[in-house]
Amino acid sequence: DTGVSQDPRHKITKRGQNVTFRCDPISEHNRLYWYRQTLGQGPEFLTYFQNEAQLEKSRLLSDRFSAERPKGSFSTLEIQRTEQGDSAMYLCASTLGGDYGYTFGSGTRLTVV
Amino acid sequence: GENVEQHPSTLSVQEGDSAVIKCTYSDSASNYFPWYKQELGKGPQLIIDIRSNVGEKKDQRIAVTLNKTAKHFSLHITETQPEDSAVYFCAASELGDMRFGAGTRLTVKP
Repeated sequence: DTGVSQDPRHKITKRGQNVTFRCDPISEHNRLYWYRQTLGQGPEFLTYFQNEAQLEKSRLLSDRFSAERPKGSFSTLEIQRTEQGDSAMYLCASTLGGDYGYTFGSGTRLTVV
Repeated sequence: GENVEQHPSTLSVQEGDSAVIKCTYSDSASNYFPWYKQELGKGPQLIIDIRSNVGEKKDQRIAVTLNKTAKHFSLHITETQPEDSAVYFCAASELGDMRFGAGTRLTVKP
């Protein structure tokens, strides 16, 4: 297990389409986070999972966004009816939990045209 | 919720000089303060962290200081090298709920 993997690395989609991103965390990490990062900004928290339970969602996460972690391993983030404002880097991170540093994936860069 | 402010937004230094980046946080319950380095096209990478029961931590050319009373912490990089050029983010966390600063773009000129 070499780290956190995200797929795809890049996604270009037309406005109104649905997109789904996948994150594979480090296997022994039970916490998984999704962040969004726009140019020149720090990562903004979207949601996180403790095992398969989604424990917190940001107000940034509109009804068009949904995330799952069905078996407590990989996670998916779906955006429905994409808008141009959704264009950003979507980062996944995992950690053992509590006060441990996150290991980030390389992100999925979404461009909505 | 936690609010983290980071300064400066850009920093340019000559190779061999020191660089200092400062952050303040709002939630006194925060007890874990990591720093991340992000290179172009990559996710942030943890470079050093400090917990609230420690005032200073050093790892080779990198050090972090924490002042809990004032709610601020700083990253110090000594003997900077061109490969230190990147965007650096501070973060503050309580029980894993981590919030990030807006980042500092550090440029080290050879």
